[in-house]
Amino acid sequence: KNEVEQSPQNLTAQEGEFITINCSYSVGISALHWLQQHPGGGIVSLFMLSSGKKKHGRLIATINIQEKHSSLHITASHPRDSAVYICAVRDRYGNKLVFGAGTILRVKS
Amino acid sequence: EAGVTQSPTHLIKTRGQQVTLRCSPISGHTSVYWYQQALGLGLQFLLWYDEGEERNRGNFPPRFSGRQFPNYSSELNVNALELEDSALYLCASSPWRGRETQYFGPGTRLLVL
Repeated sequence: KNEVEQSPQNLTAQEGEFITINCSYSVGISALHWLQQHPGGGIVSLFMLSSGKKKHGRLIATINIQEKHSSLHITASHPRDSAVYICAVRDRYGNKLVFGAGTILRVKS
Repeated sequence: EAGVTQSPTHLIKTRGQQVTLRCSPISGHTSVYWYQQALGLGLQFLLWYDEGEERNRGNFPPRFSGRQFPNYSSELNVNALELEDSALYLCASSPWRGRETQYFGPGTRLLVL
């Protein structure tokens, strides 16, 4: 079993839909990251969370430390949101990131 | 402010050869991380350098090595290349020992024939 599990693996949405991507982890962590990877390969760090909720524009990330679960929400989705979204957890010592397999999101206009 | 830069962008090598990839972190960042993203696989942690020292390494053989220079730039060296080393190699930097957000470079695509 992977230490970080994401669901769904693939997601297709219509423009304007509300999207949720889930991440569950099985190890103790010091923080959780949500990353966005575009087709060219470049990665952008969206959020770093250790508790609660963060919001940036149309993106919202939440984490429940007790349940070892995080969600990434996209409101009013747009075709430019199409990308791979990756959940990564930082171990307790802050040494390294362990990554989920990613969720491939396609938003159709 | 310039982001994390990596060179080269693309590279083709043959089995058994050696390769060196380079990374320049954001100014002021002392930690540099290397990750491998092989085709069809997720990102995997390779190496972490901070203040010139290797602080941690992932589950990779010793032919993957690197170093960090006094200006905090870093090199990743891969010896005796194998076909399965074909991957996107990503470098990331952060201000202090990974306790902050990591900023990723554009990556180097390595193809081993």
